[in-house]
Amino acid sequence: QIQLVQSGPELKKPGESVKISCKASGYTFTDYAMHWVKQAPGKGLKWMGWINTYTGKPTYADDFKGRFVFSLEASASTANLQISNLKNEDTATYFCARSEMYTWGQGASVTVSS
Amino acid sequence: DIVMTQAPLSVSVTPGESASISCRSSKSLLHSNGITYVYWYLQKPGKSPQLLIYRMSNLASGVPDRFSGSGSETDFTLKISRVEAEDVGIYYCGQLLENPLTFGSGTKLEIK
Repeated sequence: QIQLVQSGPELKKPGESVKISCKASGYTFTDYAMHWVKQAPGKGLKWMGWINTYTGKPTYADDFKGRFVFSLEASASTANLQISNLKNEDTATYFCARSEMYTWGQGASVTVSS
Repeated sequence: DIVMTQAPLSVSVTPGESASISCRSSKSLLHSNGITYVYWYLQKPGKSPQLLIYRMSNLASGVPDRFSGSGSETDFTLKISRVEAEDVGIYYCGQLLENPLTFGSGTKLEIK
């Protein structure tokens, strides 16, 4: 069956970086786009952007340009989200979701605290 | 950006009764290909969102047929017939017509 399995929780200090992975299985990875969605504690869903898993081209929502990088390890059917220069407001759960957001990962929690 | 406005903020339903959630978009979600790109998701407590309805009225695989979606170009409704205890959570509408993709603020469904 189609699955997206994300990496585990992270506790980071302001200014550090974090890399979250999303490993896909049950389908051909490069056939479907991958989206990233942020959910701050107690808040709603915010779309961060998507990556074309065939070409590797990322598209970022305006609020996520600069410190956020989407990348791929296509041979491992894995999409990654890297956040640099972490800020307190990056504390959230980050979800990957396959094209049309039909399938979601379980979420990866990132806590930024000094 | 397309703004998605949901109502109500919360709804309390007796098991076995029906519930409706509304969503309005600030722009038509009808594409020239005839597809209306509105989606409905349910986020159960402590879980990731799950797709219920795609392209306005199509039931996602494995979703009970108690759920249905309808609407026009800018006004949409998710209806849940015969609500069950397992339906509790936050319901989100979302538009996948154009970037940036946007979601409504959510409707919390509780059981009386």
